[in-house]
Amino acid sequence: GESVGLHLPTLSVQEGDNSIINCAYSNSASDYFIWYKQESGKGPQFIIDIRSNMDKRQGQRVTVLLNKTVKHLSLQIAATQPGDSAVYFCATLDGEYGNKLVFGAGTILRVKS
Amino acid sequence: DTEVTQTPKHLVMGMTNKKSLKCEQHMGHRAMYWYKQKAKKPPELMFVYSYEKLSINESVPSRFSPECPNSSLLNLHLHALQPEDSALYLCASSQGPGLYGYTFGSGTRLTVV
Repeated sequence: GESVGLHLPTLSVQEGDNSIINCAYSNSASDYFIWYKQESGKGPQFIIDIRSNMDKRQGQRVTVLLNKTVKHLSLQIAATQPGDSAVYFCATLDGEYGNKLVFGAGTILRVKS
Repeated sequence: DTEVTQTPKHLVMGMTNKKSLKCEQHMGHRAMYWYKQKAKKPPELMFVYSYEKLSINESVPSRFSPECPNSSLLNLHLHALQPEDSALYLCASSQGPGLYGYTFGSGTRLTVV
């Protein structure tokens, strides 16, 4: 099965700085990746996704980079704000039919004002 | 309506009790999921329903019994739980199994005493 993991469990950044959250995956056949944000007391919230035929995708203040060669993806948050404080998970679709959404370990992002 | 609604938000139950968690979505999604999330851990898949039929059971103990009465509703029946079953139970839905656009509810915080 797929294994999706993160390098850093906690990331502290100053308000206004850029944040980079990393994720490694093990299954080279994975073709779809998603980043979720989870705030305290809430369910995971979709941030951005990327398919394996792309290496970069941008959203509002967020960018996901995918490096298939080293099986690594990252989430970049520009001008980090206090409201960005949360746990961030990468996830991918696993299973025989790709119908199992599997999460990585998660990174806590703390934004200092 | 673009939400997944879970009730109750909090539940405390004894080990001999029987209770049910409920999940509802009106987005026309045909796949629904139950996840279990322990503190400071990623969500772990429990069950997948596809077109109202159980398609995946991730070796979940029989004290957890899922039910999908119709395409909009998903229940999780609980009986004879253990304290270690205390966790956040998340419901999610997607347009179809293996399709993109997973939407998560806010979860039910379950405490077994």
